[in-house]
Amino acid sequence: AQKITQTQPGMFVQEKEAVTLDCTYDTSDQSYGLFWYKQPSSGEMIFLIYQGSYDEQNATEGRYSLNFQKARKSANLVISASQLGDSAMYFCAMRAWGNKLVFGAGTILRVKS
Amino acid sequence: NAGVTQTPKFQVLKTGQSMTLQCAQDMNHEYMSWYRQDPGMGLRLIHYSVGAGITDQGEVPNGYNVSRSTTEDFPLRLLSAAPSQTSVYFCASSPRRNTGELFFGEGSRLTVL
Repeated sequence: AQKITQTQPGMFVQEKEAVTLDCTYDTSDQSYGLFWYKQPSSGEMIFLIYQGSYDEQNATEGRYSLNFQKARKSANLVISASQLGDSAMYFCAMRAWGNKLVFGAGTILRVKS
Repeated sequence: NAGVTQTPKFQVLKTGQSMTLQCAQDMNHEYMSWYRQDPGMGLRLIHYSVGAGITDQGEVPNGYNVSRSTTEDFPLRLLSAAPSQTSVYFCASSPRRNTGELFFGEGSRLTVL
Protein backbone atom coordinates (compact mmCIF):
# COMPACT_ATOMS: atom_id res chain seq x y z
CA ALA A 1 0.00 0.00 0.00
CA GLN A 2 1.09 3.54 -0.62
CA LYS A 3 1.51 6.03 2.18
CA ILE A 4 2.43 9.69 2.46
CA THR A 5 3.78 11.16 5.69
CA GLN A 6 3.96 14.86 6.46
CA THR A 7 5.51 15.25 9.89
CA GLN A 8 5.09 19.02 10.27
CA PRO A 9 1.54 19.90 11.35
CA GLY A 10 2.39 23.61 11.22
CA MET A 11 5.23 25.85 10.10
CA PHE A 12 6.05 29.55 10.37
CA VAL A 13 8.28 31.44 7.98
CA GLN A 14 9.27 35.08 7.74
CA GLU A 15 8.20 36.90 4.62
CA LYS A 16 10.84 36.77 1.84
CA GLU A 17 12.60 33.78 3.39
CA ALA A 18 12.65 30.24 2.00
CA VAL A 19 10.83 27.35 3.67
CA THR A 20 10.93 23.59 3.22
CA LEU A 21 7.88 21.42 3.80
CA ASP A 22 8.71 17.78 4.42
CA CYS A 23 7.14 14.79 2.72
CA THR A 24 8.16 11.15 2.83
CA TYR A 25 6.45 8.38 0.94
CA ASP A 26 6.25 4.63 0.87
CA THR A 27 5.50 2.53 -2.18
CA SER A 28 6.58 -0.72 -3.77
CA ASP A 29 5.88 0.60 -7.26
CA GLN A 30 8.78 1.51 -9.54
CA SER A 31 6.73 4.06 -11.45
CA TYR A 32 4.90 6.71 -9.45
CA GLY A 33 4.24 10.40 -9.33
CA LEU A 34 4.43 12.90 -6.51
CA PHE A 35 2.39 16.06 -6.25
CA TRP A 36 2.05 19.07 -4.04
CA TYR A 37 -1.23 20.91 -3.67
CA LYS A 38 -2.01 24.15 -1.88
CA GLN A 39 -5.29 24.73 -0.10
CA PRO A 40 -5.89 28.34 0.97
CA SER A 41 -8.50 29.26 3.54
CA SER A 42 -11.06 29.57 0.74
CA GLY A 43 -10.89 25.80 0.40
CA GLU A 44 -10.01 25.11 -3.22
CA MET A 45 -7.22 22.71 -4.13
CA ILE A 46 -4.49 24.30 -6.22
CA PHE A 47 -1.93 22.16 -8.05
CA LEU A 48 1.62 23.37 -7.47
CA ILE A 49 4.17 20.91 -8.78
CA TYR A 50 4.68 17.35 -10.02
CA GLN A 51 7.66 14.97 -9.96
CA GLY A 52 7.76 11.66 -11.79
CA SER A 53 9.74 8.82 -10.27
CA TYR A 54 11.92 8.55 -13.38
CA ASP A 55 12.55 12.27 -13.72
CA GLU A 56 16.25 12.91 -13.24
CA GLN A 57 15.90 16.61 -12.54
CA ASN A 58 14.08 18.08 -9.58
CA ALA A 59 10.85 19.73 -10.67
CA THR A 60 10.57 23.51 -10.47
CA GLU A 61 7.62 25.83 -11.03
CA GLY A 62 8.39 29.47 -10.38
CA ARG A 63 9.07 29.87 -6.65
CA TYR A 64 8.28 26.22 -5.98
CA SER A 65 10.78 23.42 -6.28
CA LEU A 66 10.56 19.79 -5.30
CA ASN A 67 13.61 18.30 -3.61
CA PHE A 68 13.29 14.68 -4.75
CA GLN A 69 15.53 12.19 -2.98
CA LYS A 70 14.51 8.79 -4.30
CA ALA A 71 16.76 6.68 -2.09
CA ARG A 72 15.38 8.41 1.00
CA LYS A 73 11.83 8.34 -0.39
CA SER A 74 11.39 12.01 0.25
CA ALA A 75 9.79 14.73 -1.85
CA ASN A 76 10.12 17.98 0.05
CA LEU A 77 8.58 21.20 -1.24
CA VAL A 78 10.77 24.28 -1.17
CA ILE A 79 9.11 27.67 -1.42
CA SER A 80 11.54 30.48 -2.07
CA ALA A 81 10.96 34.15 -1.20
CA SER A 82 7.81 33.47 0.83
CA GLN A 83 4.87 35.81 0.39
CA LEU A 84 1.92 36.49 2.67
CA GLY A 85 -0.28 34.81 0.09
CA ASP A 86 1.61 31.55 0.60
CA SER A 87 -0.15 31.10 3.96
CA ALA A 88 -2.23 27.97 3.41
CA MET A 89 -2.45 24.25 3.98
CA TYR A 90 -0.06 22.23 1.82
CA PHE A 91 -0.64 18.60 0.87
CA CYS A 92 1.83 16.12 -0.51
CA ALA A 93 0.29 13.33 -2.57
CA MET A 94 1.32 10.23 -4.49
CA ARG A 95 -0.33 8.97 -7.65
CA ALA A 96 -1.55 5.41 -7.68
CA TRP A 97 -3.07 3.46 -10.57
CA GLY A 98 -5.92 5.19 -12.32
CA ASN A 99 -4.64 8.60 -11.30
CA LYS A 100 -5.92 8.07 -7.77
CA LEU A 101 -4.03 10.15 -5.27
CA VAL A 102 -3.00 9.20 -1.75
CA PHE A 103 -2.63 12.32 0.38
CA GLY A 104 -0.66 13.20 3.44
CA ALA A 105 -2.30 14.89 6.43
CA GLY A 106 -1.03 18.30 5.36
CA THR A 107 1.12 21.10 6.76
CA ILE A 108 -0.27 24.51 7.66
CA LEU A 109 2.14 27.25 6.63
CA ARG A 110 1.91 30.72 8.11
CA VAL A 111 3.98 33.53 6.60
CA LYS A 112 4.82 36.34 9.01
CA SER A 113 5.32 39.94 7.91
CA ASN B 1 -13.93 27.53 -18.51
CA ALA B 2 -16.19 25.53 -16.21
CA GLY B 3 -13.68 22.77 -15.37
CA VAL B 4 -15.07 20.60 -12.57
CA THR B 5 -18.41 21.73 -11.17
CA GLN B 6 -19.78 20.43 -7.90
CA THR B 7 -23.24 21.06 -6.49
CA PRO B 8 -24.41 21.86 -3.93
CA LYS B 9 -21.64 23.79 -2.18
CA PHE B 10 -23.32 23.48 1.20
CA GLN B 11 -25.87 21.00 2.52
CA VAL B 12 -27.32 20.14 5.91
CA LEU B 13 -28.99 16.75 6.33
CA LYS B 14 -30.66 14.89 9.12
CA THR B 15 -29.48 11.42 10.02
CA GLY B 16 -31.06 8.86 7.71
CA GLN B 17 -31.78 11.25 4.85
CA SER B 18 -30.45 10.60 1.39
CA MET B 19 -28.88 12.98 -1.07
CA THR B 20 -26.71 13.16 -4.16
CA LEU B 21 -23.65 15.32 -4.65
CA GLN B 22 -23.35 16.20 -8.30
CA CYS B 23 -20.07 16.44 -10.18
CA ALA B 24 -19.63 17.38 -13.82
CA GLN B 25 -16.53 18.07 -15.88
CA ASP B 26 -16.27 19.49 -19.37
CA MET B 27 -12.68 18.54 -20.15
CA ASN B 28 -13.40 15.06 -21.53
CA HIS B 29 -11.31 13.48 -18.78
CA GLU B 30 -11.39 9.73 -18.44
CA TYR B 31 -10.65 9.60 -14.72
CA MET B 32 -12.96 10.97 -12.05
CA SER B 33 -12.88 10.52 -8.32
CA TRP B 34 -14.46 11.57 -5.04
CA TYR B 35 -12.51 12.47 -1.92
CA ARG B 36 -13.55 13.50 1.53
CA GLN B 37 -11.51 15.86 3.67
CA ASP B 38 -11.58 15.65 7.43
CA PRO B 39 -9.46 17.69 9.87
CA GLY B 40 -5.99 16.23 10.42
CA MET B 41 -6.47 13.46 7.88
CA GLY B 42 -5.90 15.02 4.50
CA LEU B 43 -8.07 13.83 1.63
CA ARG B 44 -9.23 10.24 1.44
CA LEU B 45 -10.49 8.51 -1.68
CA ILE B 46 -14.12 7.36 -1.58
CA HIS B 47 -14.78 6.05 -5.11
CA TYR B 48 -13.21 6.50 -8.48
CA SER B 49 -13.88 5.81 -12.13
CA VAL B 50 -11.53 5.25 -15.04
CA GLY B 51 -14.22 5.72 -17.66
CA ALA B 52 -17.93 5.62 -18.39
CA GLY B 53 -19.49 2.48 -16.97
CA ILE B 54 -16.50 1.66 -14.76
CA THR B 55 -16.32 2.45 -11.06
CA ASP B 56 -14.41 1.06 -8.12
CA GLN B 57 -14.02 1.60 -4.42
CA GLY B 58 -11.38 3.72 -2.80
CA GLU B 59 -10.15 3.85 0.77
CA VAL B 60 -13.43 4.82 2.50
CA PRO B 61 -16.37 3.65 0.33
CA ASN B 62 -18.85 2.56 3.00
CA GLY B 63 -22.09 4.53 2.97
CA TYR B 64 -21.56 5.92 -0.52
CA ASN B 65 -22.61 4.84 -4.01
CA VAL B 66 -21.47 6.12 -7.39
CA SER B 67 -22.27 5.59 -11.04
CA ARG B 68 -20.68 6.82 -14.26
CA SER B 69 -23.17 6.70 -17.09
CA THR B 70 -21.42 9.44 -19.08
CA THR B 71 -17.86 10.74 -19.33
CA GLU B 72 -18.96 14.09 -17.95
CA ASP B 73 -20.88 13.17 -14.80
CA PHE B 74 -19.93 11.31 -11.63
CA PRO B 75 -22.55 11.71 -8.89
CA LEU B 76 -21.95 10.59 -5.31
CA ARG B 77 -24.97 9.22 -3.43
CA LEU B 78 -25.46 9.01 0.30
CA LEU B 79 -28.29 6.54 0.83
CA SER B 80 -28.74 7.02 4.58
CA ALA B 81 -26.67 9.88 5.94
CA ALA B 82 -24.82 9.48 9.24
CA PRO B 83 -23.07 12.12 11.39
CA SER B 84 -19.75 10.42 10.53
CA GLN B 85 -20.28 11.59 6.95
CA THR B 86 -20.03 15.23 7.97
CA SER B 87 -17.11 16.37 5.87
CA VAL B 88 -15.98 18.41 2.91
CA TYR B 89 -16.28 16.47 -0.34
CA PHE B 90 -14.15 17.06 -3.41
CA CYS B 91 -14.71 15.74 -6.88
CA ALA B 92 -11.68 15.55 -9.17
CA SER B 93 -10.97 14.61 -12.75
CA SER B 94 -7.85 13.95 -14.75
CA PRO B 95 -6.84 12.81 -18.21
CA ARG B 96 -5.51 9.32 -18.71
CA ARG B 97 -1.89 10.33 -19.25
CA ASN B 98 0.40 9.47 -16.38
CA THR B 99 1.52 12.95 -15.53
CA GLY B 100 -2.01 14.28 -15.32
CA GLU B 101 -2.63 16.44 -12.30
CA LEU B 102 -6.04 16.20 -10.72
CA PHE B 103 -8.44 19.01 -11.43
CA PHE B 104 -10.58 19.59 -8.36
CA GLY B 105 -14.02 21.03 -7.93
CA GLU B 106 -14.54 23.72 -5.32
CA GLY B 107 -15.76 21.30 -2.70
CA SER B 108 -19.10 20.58 -1.02
CA ARG B 109 -19.48 21.02 2.72
CA LEU B 110 -21.93 18.49 4.14
CA THR B 111 -23.23 18.51 7.69
CA VAL B 112 -25.27 15.60 9.02
CA LEU B 113 -27.17 16.31 12.22
